[in-house]
Amino acid sequence: EAQVTQNPRYLITVTGKKLTVTCSQNMNHEYMSWYRQDPGLGLRQIYYSMNVEVTDKGDVPEGYKVSRKEKRNFPLILESPSPNQTSLYFCASSSRASGGALSLTDTQYFGPGTRLTVL
Amino acid sequence: RKEVEQDPGPFNVPEGATVAFNCTYSNSASQSFFWYRQDCRKEPKLLMSVYSSGNEDGRFTAQLNRASQYISLLIRDSKLSDSATYLCVVKRGGYQKVTFGTGTKLQVIP
Repeated sequence: EAQVTQNPRYLITVTGKKLTVTCSQNMNHEYMSWYRQDPGLGLRQIYYSMNVEVTDKGDVPEGYKVSRKEKRNFPLILESPSPNQTSLYFCASSSRASGGALSLTDTQYFGPGTRLTVL
Repeated sequence: RKEVEQDPGPFNVPEGATVAFNCTYSNSASQSFFWYRQDCRKEPKLLMSVYSSGNEDGRFTAQLNRASQYISLLIRDSKLSDSATYLCVVKRGGYQKVTFGTGTKLQVIP
């Protein structure tokens, strides 16, 4: 079954304790992204990756790191979490359209979400 | 001004009604447009892409107006199962630069 998985699904932690949220996809997609969703602000892109070893900042990258050592995995790292990073996090993947151009049909597939609380 | 703006609603409509949502975007370089549906803080799922000429999928019709920089979603014959938040999504650039609207909540009532 084609899917994007995230772990953990729920996490309560304390300020400053490093954590990693894993994301894995089995669709051989080139593109992967991380989003956070907050009430009234919607989904905001944190980081995205166009392929292995290629990553770039989204709209809200501060306080986050990512890596893309393998095509299927795109972990999100919070080196020193703070309470303002309490949020619902989604990982997503999509395939690259032919020729590198955007395709109207390149659907993003989302993981089930990780609810993070930083105390 | 937000890059993508939507009326948050909620839109409360009776079953069988027709309802329309608009979404405006500010960046004229935006290239691709989509509507996603999100149920109760679950993951968003693609509802439909929005083509320049407009497109229809069953009871759902999407329109794009590049001159006025807005997209719309029309739902005909609303069902209880249509209750959800509808997210407008805009892509620009060649590298998956994606912006989501904050969503419009729809509640279909019996």
